[in-house]
Amino acid sequence: DAGVTQSPTHLIKTRGQHVTLRCSPISGHKSVSWYQQVLGQGPQFIFQYYEKEERGRGNFPDRFSARQFPNYSSELNVNALLLGDSALYLCASSLWTAYGYTFGSGTRLTVV
Amino acid sequence: GENVEQHPSTLSVQEGDSAVIKCTYSDSASNYFPWYKQELGKGPQLIIDIRSNVGEKKDQRIAVTLNKTAKHFSLHITETQPEDSAVYFCAASGRDSNYQLIWGAGTKLIIKP
Repeated sequence: DAGVTQSPTHLIKTRGQHVTLRCSPISGHKSVSWYQQVLGQGPQFIFQYYEKEERGRGNFPDRFSARQFPNYSSELNVNALLLGDSALYLCASSLWTAYGYTFGSGTRLTVV
Repeated sequence: GENVEQHPSTLSVQEGDSAVIKCTYSDSASNYFPWYKQELGKGPQLIIDIRSNVGEKKDQRIAVTLNKTAKHFSLHITETQPEDSAVYFCAASGRDSNYQLIWGAGTKLIIKP
């Protein structure tokens, strides 16, 4: 079975631009979570979606948004990119909302 | 809110020896404590987890212990091998964090040949 897949793997954007990151969960998993991992730190929670509804939101500005589609895949959108948005963005899927998160390999975003 | 502290930040052990990484958490309502291993260029991989109704869990060379009273939990790796070299993260979650994982800062484990 395929694991959690994220695309693209790497991305370079300019300050002020918009970016869309994509995630396909493990088949059968209905929950998708997004995390931001800055180099040398642990991941920080951004969003969780379950059955296409937002179930949680971390302490991130409104420039960050996400959605989940009927096939349970998800997109993370970031507007008006700042240099500080440079990070590894991780997607995790799980059957439910509380346990057993499986992570993808992430999207490395560099803002210049 | 929940806060997770992890120590040490770097741990170097001789191949074959044991490694122990410790984490403390602040929210007594947290009830789920996973450990993840992250290799360079990859996402975190769940290696073991424990729930608050259990004090210890083992899986081959890996074990996790939980002390709810003291609010700390530890990862134990025995008979370390070169492939154990990676960054290890602890995390905690529960009702008060809306079941979102709150992560420690990570421990870089170096296995010396």
